[in-house]
Amino acid sequence: NAGVTQTPKFQVLKTGQSMTLQCAQDMNHEYMSWYRQDPGMGLRLIHYSVGAGITDQGEVPNGYNVSRSTTEDFPLRLLSAAPSQTSVYFCASSYPRGELFFGEGSRLTVL
Amino acid sequence: AQRVTQPEKLLSVFKGAPVELKCNYSYSGSPELFWYVQYSRQRLQLLLRHISRESIKGFTADLNKGETSFHLKKPFAQEEDSAMYYCALKNTGFQKLVFGTGTRLLVSP
Repeated sequence: NAGVTQTPKFQVLKTGQSMTLQCAQDMNHEYMSWYRQDPGMGLRLIHYSVGAGITDQGEVPNGYNVSRSTTEDFPLRLLSAAPSQTSVYFCASSYPRGELFFGEGSRLTVL
Repeated sequence: AQRVTQPEKLLSVFKGAPVELKCNYSYSGSPELFWYVQYSRQRLQLLLRHISRESIKGFTADLNKGETSFHLKKPFAQEEDSAMYYCALKNTGFQKLVFGTGTRLLVSP
């Protein structure tokens, strides 16, 4: 099993550009989530999904969209990138009540 | 609201010294508490959870509901323990995990 796979690992954007961070898991986990990690602020939940077709907002959802058309994939879309979205993004998945498994992270820089 | 507080950004100790990473939480329901660790250039991974009451890599953590704390302890620190440690909380029966701001542990030889 590959676990949780995130692409790309690094990305540089200009302000106003859009992009999608991809996340895929091969563990048949129902729950998937996106976090951003910023110095001094820890990990903050952006969006999460408890199953295909179901998504909900986390703590810092503004500027981000998600969809969950399949159990395996949970892409995170930045509609119009801003410098404040410069961060490291982590995707995670789990079974209900199970341990959260994380991807390796995607480092995004918005100029 | 759920909140996890880790008051120390950095904890620096010498090898062989005891370690205590502090974690306090606020939540009115029935929380589950976790410690996650991120070693250099590795992905975040679960270290331990309070319901398991186990010791992993010599670390233990006891949930103190009276003090709303879940401090992580190890009697003798090793250099390989150097990492970023996050305390996290979730409501029992739900998967949404709330993290603290993290404490970087640096163990010097």
